[in-house]
Amino acid sequence: AQTVTQSQPEMSVQEAETVTLSCTYDTSESNYYLFWYKQPPSRQMILVIRQEAYKQQNATENRFSVNFQKAAKSFSLKISDSQLGDTAMYFCAFSDNAGNMLTFGGGTRLMVKP
Amino acid sequence: GAVVSQHPSWVICKSGTSVKIECRSLDFQATTMFWYRQFPKQSLMLMATSNEGSKATYEQGVEKDKFLINHASLTLSTLTVTSAHPEDSSFYICSASRTSGGTGETQYFGPGTRLLVL
Repeated sequence: AQTVTQSQPEMSVQEAETVTLSCTYDTSESNYYLFWYKQPPSRQMILVIRQEAYKQQNATENRFSVNFQKAAKSFSLKISDSQLGDTAMYFCAFSDNAGNMLTFGGGTRLMVKP
Repeated sequence: GAVVSQHPSWVICKSGTSVKIECRSLDFQATTMFWYRQFPKQSLMLMATSNEGSKATYEQGVEKDKFLINHASLTLSTLTVTSAHPEDSSFYICSASRTSGGTGETQYFGPGTRLLVL
């Protein structure tokens, strides 16, 4: 079974600064998919970024980028120019090649301070 | 695009009654829908995977007779909590994938339903 670990339960960052959230996973699969989802206080889950394991290039979405290290099974999320609206729970998730089921990490609560 | 709605957004019911939660994909067809439960300050726990026209697949430890799932159309799945008890109080979230057969499809989430059983 796959497992996803987020080792930072809580983090804070000053507005406009950069923060990196860590995520590691365990799998025996060679092809899979990784996601970062954001859950703001409204509790609506929002897709932040998606990475396909067979693609070596790190995914980016505006201020959000990932550092995907396949050999190390690491998938960290970097948020640049942090904004107050980035305050949320962030969940790392894994999906294998057999279907679309997601395995979630425990989450990291990010607080952006003015 | 890829909007998923849930209804109701919150519900309060008496112990012993049943509650139905609807999950709809508004602008796409979703052959597969998922139901999650989330306790305060915790991650999402997958309860079951729902495929249109077939029986849902429940995760280990989830009572299928307690949490009835129906996926009657490509845009609607329902979760019925039968004979609800206070321990069933939680935040329930559904999600939907655009297609079946593919892998790594993004799941789009509904806004969630807060259930309180008195």
